Amino acid sequence: DADVTQTPRNRITKTGKRIMLECSQTKGHDRMYWYRQDPGLGLRLIYYSFDVKDINKGEISDGYSVSRQAQAKFSLSLESAIPNQTALYFCATSDRAGPGWTDTQYFGPGTRLTVL
Amino acid sequence: SQKIEQNSEALNIQEGKTATLTCNYTNYSPAYLQWYRQDPGRGPVFLLLIRENEKEKRKERLKVTFDTTLKQSLFHITASQPADSATYLCAPSDNYGQNFVFGPGTRLSVLP
Repeated sequence: DADVTQTPRNRITKTGKRIMLECSQTKGHDRMYWYRQDPGLGLRLIYYSFDVKDINKGEISDGYSVSRQAQAKFSLSLESAIPNQTALYFCATSDRAGPGWTDTQYFGPGTRLTVL
Repeated sequence: SQKIEQNSEALNIQEGKTATLTCNYTNYSPAYLQWYRQDPGRGPVFLLLIRENEKEKRKERLKVTFDTTLKQSLFHITASQPADSATYLCAPSDNYGQNFVFGPGTRLSVLP
């Protein structure tokens, strides 16, 4: 089984709908991340969480919210989807960082979201 | 502001040749730099990490260099194969994992 899983893998929705993307990991990592990827813009960080009680905004958090339900689960919500949120969304995990550690990230397979 | 540039959006080379990809960064002082591979529609996969006190790192046909004076990392694939065709991303980071920024990537195509 994959270490980082995302559901759904593909989703088509309409403007104004609320949607939730889910991420689960079996790597035992503390840190989890949500990115979006658009052609020509690369990966951009939406939110990140260093542990269950820690949630931080990334570069482009407007229009998104997250929930860290457990160490292994991190969900991304679009409260009211709009067409420019059409993108490929990735969840990632990493082990804790500090001297001697690195934040090498392990990505899920992605969710392709289309907002009509 | 911090900025990462990768030499070109796309690079085409002939099979068997060495591919060289460039990552330049500004307003950063990374403790290490990572390279990832991404295939179309899939998540990036970690390849190599090089620390600021290392000049060069190798893994099979891959070689990475890190020049903190030039603020540049070079990523080489020797004896390239069509299976190496993918987008390659660089990601500088500090020791506390506080930088979550990836370069825009270079799409490499190895032609048979």
